[in-house]
Amino acid sequence: DIVMTQSPDFLAVSLGERATINCKSGQSVLFSSNNKNYLAWYQQKPGQPPRLLISWASTRESGVPDRFSGRGSGTDFTLTISSLQAEDVGIYYCQQYSTTPYTFGQGTKLEI
Amino acid sequence: QLQLQESGPGLVKVSETLSLTCTVSDGSISRSNYYWGWIRQPPGKGLEWIANIYYSGSTYYNSSLKSRVTMSIDTSRSQFSLKLSSVTAADTAMYYCARTPADCYFDYWGQGLLVTVSS
Repeated sequence: DIVMTQSPDFLAVSLGERATINCKSGQSVLFSSNNKNYLAWYQQKPGQPPRLLISWASTRESGVPDRFSGRGSGTDFTLTISSLQAEDVGIYYCQQYSTTPYTFGQGTKLEI
Repeated sequence: QLQLQESGPGLVKVSETLSLTCTVSDGSISRSNYYWGWIRQPPGKGLEWIANIYYSGSTYYNSSLKSRVTMSIDTSRSQFSLKLSSVTAADTAMYYCARTPADCYFDYWGQGLLVTVSS
Protein backbone atom coordinates (compact mmCIF):
# COMPACT_ATOMS: atom_id res chain seq x y z
CA ASP A 1 0.00 0.00 0.00
CA ILE A 2 1.15 3.56 -0.64
CA VAL A 3 1.48 5.38 2.67
CA MET A 4 0.55 9.06 2.57
CA THR A 5 2.14 11.20 5.27
CA GLN A 6 1.00 14.74 5.91
CA SER A 7 2.76 17.45 7.87
CA PRO A 8 2.10 19.09 10.14
CA ASP A 9 -0.72 17.34 12.00
CA PHE A 10 -1.93 20.68 13.35
CA LEU A 11 -1.50 24.14 11.91
CA ALA A 12 -2.58 27.49 13.33
CA VAL A 13 -2.45 30.46 10.99
CA SER A 14 -3.61 34.04 11.40
CA LEU A 15 -6.37 35.40 9.21
CA GLY A 16 -4.95 36.72 5.96
CA GLU A 17 -1.73 34.75 6.31
CA ARG A 18 -0.48 31.86 4.19
CA ALA A 19 -1.10 28.26 5.18
CA THR A 20 0.96 25.42 3.73
CA ILE A 21 0.25 21.72 4.18
CA ASN A 22 2.63 19.03 3.00
CA CYS A 23 1.91 15.54 1.74
CA LYS A 24 4.50 12.88 1.01
CA SER A 25 3.73 9.59 -0.68
CA GLY A 26 5.62 6.38 0.00
CA GLN A 27 6.20 5.93 -3.72
CA SER A 28 5.78 8.09 -6.76
CA VAL A 29 2.23 8.82 -7.89
CA LEU A 30 3.43 10.28 -11.19
CA PHE A 31 2.53 8.29 -14.26
CA SER A 32 5.15 8.79 -16.95
CA SER A 33 2.71 7.70 -19.66
CA ASN A 34 0.61 10.85 -19.25
CA ASN A 35 2.84 12.96 -16.99
CA LYS A 36 0.04 13.24 -14.42
CA ASN A 37 0.30 13.06 -10.66
CA TYR A 38 -2.54 10.99 -9.21
CA LEU A 39 -2.99 13.14 -6.11
CA ALA A 40 -6.04 14.93 -4.72
CA TRP A 41 -6.71 17.29 -1.83
CA TYR A 42 -9.89 17.47 0.25
CA GLN A 43 -11.26 19.78 2.92
CA GLN A 44 -13.52 18.44 5.66
CA LYS A 45 -15.50 20.60 8.03
CA PRO A 46 -17.14 19.22 11.21
CA GLY A 47 -20.23 17.17 10.48
CA GLN A 48 -19.69 17.30 6.73
CA PRO A 49 -18.30 14.93 4.12
CA PRO A 50 -14.95 15.76 2.55
CA ARG A 51 -15.02 18.29 -0.27
CA LEU A 52 -12.74 17.84 -3.26
CA LEU A 53 -10.52 20.88 -3.68
CA ILE A 54 -7.80 19.81 -6.08
CA SER A 55 -7.23 16.88 -8.40
CA TRP A 56 -4.18 15.85 -10.44
CA ALA A 57 -2.07 17.61 -7.81
CA SER A 58 -2.78 21.10 -9.11
CA THR A 59 -6.18 21.30 -10.85
CA ARG A 60 -8.59 23.34 -8.78
CA GLU A 61 -12.19 22.11 -8.82
CA SER A 62 -14.97 24.35 -10.05
CA GLY A 63 -16.14 26.69 -7.32
CA VAL A 64 -12.99 26.39 -5.21
CA PRO A 65 -11.57 29.83 -4.40
CA ASP A 66 -8.34 30.67 -6.16
CA ARG A 67 -6.57 31.19 -2.84
CA PHE A 68 -6.27 27.38 -2.80
CA SER A 69 -3.44 25.96 -4.88
CA GLY A 70 -1.65 22.67 -5.15
CA ARG A 71 1.76 21.83 -6.44
CA GLY A 72 4.37 19.10 -6.41
CA SER A 73 5.27 16.00 -8.33
CA GLY A 74 6.37 12.43 -7.75
CA THR A 75 6.30 11.97 -4.00
CA ASP A 76 6.16 15.49 -2.54
CA PHE A 77 3.15 17.75 -2.67
CA THR A 78 1.86 20.90 -1.03
CA LEU A 79 -1.51 22.56 -0.59
CA THR A 80 -1.30 26.30 -0.07
CA ILE A 81 -3.97 28.71 1.06
CA SER A 82 -2.61 32.09 0.11
CA SER A 83 -4.68 34.22 2.46
CA LEU A 84 -6.49 32.32 5.17
CA GLN A 85 -10.17 33.05 5.66
CA ALA A 86 -12.28 32.07 8.66
CA GLU A 87 -14.24 29.56 6.59
CA ASP A 88 -11.06 27.64 5.73
CA VAL A 89 -10.91 26.06 9.18
CA GLY A 90 -11.15 22.30 8.99
CA ILE A 91 -9.18 19.14 8.33
CA TYR A 92 -7.33 18.70 5.05
CA TYR A 93 -6.53 15.34 3.51
CA CYS A 94 -4.42 14.29 0.56
CA GLN A 95 -5.27 11.12 -1.36
CA GLN A 96 -3.39 9.09 -3.93
CA TYR A 97 -5.33 7.33 -6.66
CA SER A 98 -2.44 5.91 -8.64
CA THR A 99 -2.69 2.42 -7.17
CA THR A 100 -5.28 0.48 -5.24
CA PRO A 101 -5.86 0.51 -2.38
CA TYR A 102 -6.41 4.23 -2.73
CA THR A 103 -5.03 5.81 0.42
CA PHE A 104 -5.40 9.05 2.31
CA GLY A 105 -3.06 11.03 4.49
CA GLN A 106 -3.81 11.16 8.20
CA GLY A 107 -5.14 14.71 7.92
CA THR A 108 -3.95 18.17 8.92
CA LYS A 109 -6.15 20.18 11.23
CA LEU A 110 -6.12 23.85 10.29
CA GLU A 111 -7.14 26.44 12.85
CA ILE A 112 -7.12 30.20 13.09
CA GLN B 1 -26.87 18.82 -9.07
CA LEU B 2 -25.88 15.26 -8.30
CA GLN B 3 -26.87 13.98 -4.88
CA LEU B 4 -25.90 10.73 -3.22
CA GLN B 5 -27.79 9.37 -0.23
CA GLU B 6 -26.69 6.53 2.02
CA SER B 7 -29.27 4.35 3.70
CA GLY B 8 -29.24 1.37 6.00
CA PRO B 9 -29.25 0.43 9.67
CA GLY B 10 -27.30 2.63 12.04
CA LEU B 11 -26.69 -0.22 14.47
CA VAL B 12 -25.28 -3.63 13.64
CA LYS B 13 -24.41 -6.42 16.02
CA VAL B 14 -20.95 -7.91 16.29
CA SER B 15 -20.37 -10.80 13.86
CA GLU B 16 -23.31 -9.80 11.66
CA THR B 17 -23.30 -8.24 8.18
CA LEU B 18 -23.44 -4.52 7.60
CA SER B 19 -25.55 -3.64 4.54
CA LEU B 20 -25.71 -0.15 3.08
CA THR B 21 -27.22 1.32 -0.07
CA CYS B 22 -26.41 4.52 -1.91
CA THR B 23 -28.99 6.15 -4.16
CA VAL B 24 -27.76 8.35 -7.00
CA SER B 25 -30.13 11.19 -7.84
CA ASP B 26 -29.45 12.10 -11.45
CA GLY B 27 -29.33 8.78 -13.33
CA SER B 28 -25.61 9.08 -14.05
CA ILE B 29 -24.96 5.71 -12.44
CA SER B 30 -25.01 4.08 -15.89
CA ARG B 31 -22.64 6.53 -17.57
CA SER B 32 -19.45 4.95 -18.77
CA ASN B 33 -17.04 7.50 -17.33
CA TYR B 34 -18.01 7.12 -13.68
CA TYR B 35 -17.20 4.69 -10.93
CA TRP B 36 -18.90 4.61 -7.55
CA GLY B 37 -17.26 4.04 -4.23
CA TRP B 38 -17.48 3.61 -0.48
CA ILE B 39 -15.19 5.32 2.00
CA ARG B 40 -15.40 5.13 5.78
CA GLN B 41 -14.20 7.26 8.66
CA PRO B 42 -14.06 5.97 12.25
CA PRO B 43 -15.09 8.60 14.80
CA GLY B 44 -12.34 11.19 15.17
CA LYS B 45 -10.08 9.43 12.68
CA GLY B 46 -9.06 9.57 9.04
CA LEU B 47 -10.50 8.26 5.80
CA GLU B 48 -10.28 4.70 4.51
CA TRP B 49 -11.25 3.67 0.99
CA ILE B 50 -13.30 0.47 0.98
CA ALA B 51 -14.22 -0.34 -2.62
CA ASN B 52 -15.27 0.96 -6.04
CA ILE B 53 -17.68 -0.39 -8.62
CA TYR B 54 -18.32 0.34 -12.29
CA TYR B 55 -21.78 0.29 -13.88
CA SER B 56 -20.83 -3.00 -15.57
CA GLY B 57 -20.34 -4.57 -12.15
CA SER B 58 -16.53 -4.60 -12.12
CA THR B 59 -15.29 -4.12 -8.59
CA TYR B 60 -12.10 -3.01 -6.85
CA TYR B 61 -11.72 -3.79 -3.15
CA ASN B 62 -9.31 -2.65 -0.50
CA SER B 63 -7.15 -5.69 0.14
CA SER B 64 -7.39 -5.15 3.91
CA LEU B 65 -11.15 -5.72 3.74
CA LYS B 66 -11.48 -7.82 0.61
CA SER B 67 -12.39 -11.06 2.34
CA ARG B 68 -15.38 -9.40 4.03
CA VAL B 69 -16.60 -6.90 1.41
CA THR B 70 -19.06 -7.23 -1.43
CA MET B 71 -20.20 -4.37 -3.63
CA SER B 72 -23.04 -4.53 -6.11
CA ILE B 73 -24.87 -2.16 -8.42
CA ASP B 74 -28.46 -1.90 -9.63
CA THR B 75 -28.56 0.61 -12.45
CA SER B 76 -32.33 0.23 -12.88
CA ARG B 77 -32.80 1.62 -9.39
CA SER B 78 -29.84 4.04 -9.55
CA GLN B 79 -28.34 2.35 -6.50
CA PHE B 80 -25.17 0.65 -5.46
CA SER B 81 -24.62 -1.29 -2.27
CA LEU B 82 -22.03 -2.42 0.23
CA LYS B 83 -22.02 -5.52 2.37
CA LEU B 84 -19.39 -5.99 5.07
CA SER B 85 -19.52 -9.31 6.87
CA SER B 86 -18.35 -10.44 10.31
CA VAL B 87 -18.25 -6.93 11.69
CA THR B 88 -16.47 -5.96 14.88
CA ALA B 89 -16.32 -2.78 16.92
CA ALA B 90 -13.46 -1.67 14.65
CA ASP B 91 -15.97 -1.32 11.81
CA THR B 92 -17.83 1.43 13.66
CA ALA B 93 -17.55 4.44 11.38
CA MET B 94 -19.23 7.04 9.25
CA TYR B 95 -19.76 5.37 5.88
CA TYR B 96 -19.75 7.61 2.82
CA CYS B 97 -20.72 6.79 -0.72
CA ALA B 98 -19.11 8.83 -3.46
CA ARG B 99 -18.65 9.23 -7.19
CA THR B 100 -15.29 8.92 -8.86
CA PRO B 101 -14.67 9.96 -12.46
CA ALA B 102 -12.69 7.25 -14.21
CA ASP B 103 -11.80 5.51 -10.94
CA CYS B 104 -9.77 8.36 -9.52
CA TYR B 105 -10.50 11.01 -6.91
CA PHE B 106 -13.96 11.38 -5.34
CA ASP B 107 -15.79 14.45 -6.56
CA TYR B 108 -19.28 14.00 -5.10
CA TRP B 109 -19.98 12.57 -1.65
CA GLY B 110 -23.07 11.60 0.27
CA GLN B 111 -23.65 13.10 3.70
CA GLY B 112 -22.61 9.87 5.34
CA LEU B 113 -24.27 7.31 7.58
CA LEU B 114 -22.94 6.51 11.03
CA VAL B 115 -22.90 2.79 11.65
CA THR B 116 -22.22 1.56 15.15
CA VAL B 117 -21.25 -2.04 15.78
CA SER B 118 -22.27 -3.21 19.18
CA SER B 119 -22.73 -6.43 21.02
